[in-house]
Amino acid sequence: NAGVMQNPRHLVRRRGQEARLRCSPVKGHSHVYWYRQLPEEGLKFMVYLQKENIIDESGMPKERFSAEFPKEGPSILRIQQVVRGDSAAYFCASSAQGNYGYTFGSGTRLTVV
Amino acid sequence: ELKVEQNPLFLSMQEGKNYTIYCNYSTTSDRLYWYRQDPGKSLESLFVLLSNGAVKQEGRLMASLDTKARLSTLHITAAVHDLSATYFCAVNMDSNYQLIWGAGTKLIIKP
Repeated sequence: NAGVMQNPRHLVRRRGQEARLRCSPVKGHSHVYWYRQLPEEGLKFMVYLQKENIIDESGMPKERFSAEFPKEGPSILRIQQVVRGDSAAYFCASSAQGNYGYTFGSGTRLTVV
Repeated sequence: ELKVEQNPLFLSMQEGKNYTIYCNYSTTSDRLYWYRQDPGKSLESLFVLLSNGAVKQEGRLMASLDTKARLSTLHITAAVHDLSATYFCAVNMDSNYQLIWGAGTKLIIKP
């Protein structure tokens, strides 16, 4: 297993379009986390999911952002009607336990033009 | 609210020198992590520190944790150019799954 796989690596969207970011966790990991990183800053927690459940979405904007982790397939972070302020790197991490042993993906760099 | 502060935020140094990056956090924590990030890349886990007095070393990097002072240090010995990167510390708060991150220390090592 190559670890956490995120795609696409780079994504360019025009304002008002939708962005879909995908994350396949490490095989056997049932905990998935999404973080956002603005340029020259640390990561900020967005959402924590387990299979078919959102455990904590306290870091995610209430509007336009949603996340899911279906029974089959990758976790999806969806941003509707993107704005320039959404431009950032979005990292996914997974773990086998809920609070230890995080593996990060390579990130998706979203640019809104 | 847990806050994590790193300093310095930027560090330029010559090869062969020693230096220390500091990470302070505001409340009790179970675990402290150090990560390395190269430009445009993902985060590479360097160390996980679990208990007071923990010290871990890998090559020219050594990390320590003082839970009473709520302070971790990342010490670089005889720096080499390949260590140029941004270094982040991150903290779990009391078994919470969220990682709270410092702003990062951008380290440039000149040949």
